[in-house]
Amino acid sequence: DTGVSQNPRHKITKRGQNVTFRCDPISEHNRLYWYRQTLGQGPEFLTYFQNEAQLEKSRLLSDRFSAERPKGSFSTLEIQRTEQGDSAMYLCASSPGDFDSPLHFGNGTRLTVT
Amino acid sequence: SQQGEEDPQALSIQEGENATMNCSYKTSINNLQWYRQNSGRGLVHLILIRSNEREKHSGRLRVTLDTSKKSSSLLITASRAADTASYFCATDEKSGNTPLVFGKGTRLSVIA
Repeated sequence: DTGVSQNPRHKITKRGQNVTFRCDPISEHNRLYWYRQTLGQGPEFLTYFQNEAQLEKSRLLSDRFSAERPKGSFSTLEIQRTEQGDSAMYLCASSPGDFDSPLHFGNGTRLTVT
Repeated sequence: SQQGEEDPQALSIQEGENATMNCSYKTSINNLQWYRQNSGRGLVHLILIRSNEREKHSGRLRVTLDTSKKSSSLLITASRAADTASYFCATDEKSGNTPLVFGKGTRLSVIA
């Protein structure tokens, strides 16, 4: 179990630029989740995948956000035309099965939009 | 949206004391989970309690669940400085096949 890996750990970008984050889940886990966390708050659900299928998206995920999980392995989260309000920690988690399976989180990507 | 609401928001105790954190939620659930987060890191799963369970133990952790009051508590006994972290409850709603919804967390500081 090598754990969930997220890259980069930190990203500073200027408003209006596009950014892409990557998540490598635990290899045998078929579910992959993206959450967003702002300072002093709990993680807020963005989207999740069952293998390569994106099954649910939160209303927080505006049309500037897109996530993919090609071949059901790693996942990418892209934010286009970043805004200052996008500054947050983006957390990826994976799990082996249903929603009562504990989530295994990566250490997140901290995005700062200037 | 966040379903769980932890109480207190922040807690500061001396090493060796017990720490109790509470979580209230709004809808019927299948299970409730507690997670811990060290500053700048991801969350780590601590314990899961199902809706038909009332109490669960894991090492120095004791979790209770009262579905009639829609509340749970996490007790950490004989706290250590290394327990300093934020603690979150998370629920999956019984009404549908929904991902975990997290509360805002309790920030615990254990002073050596």
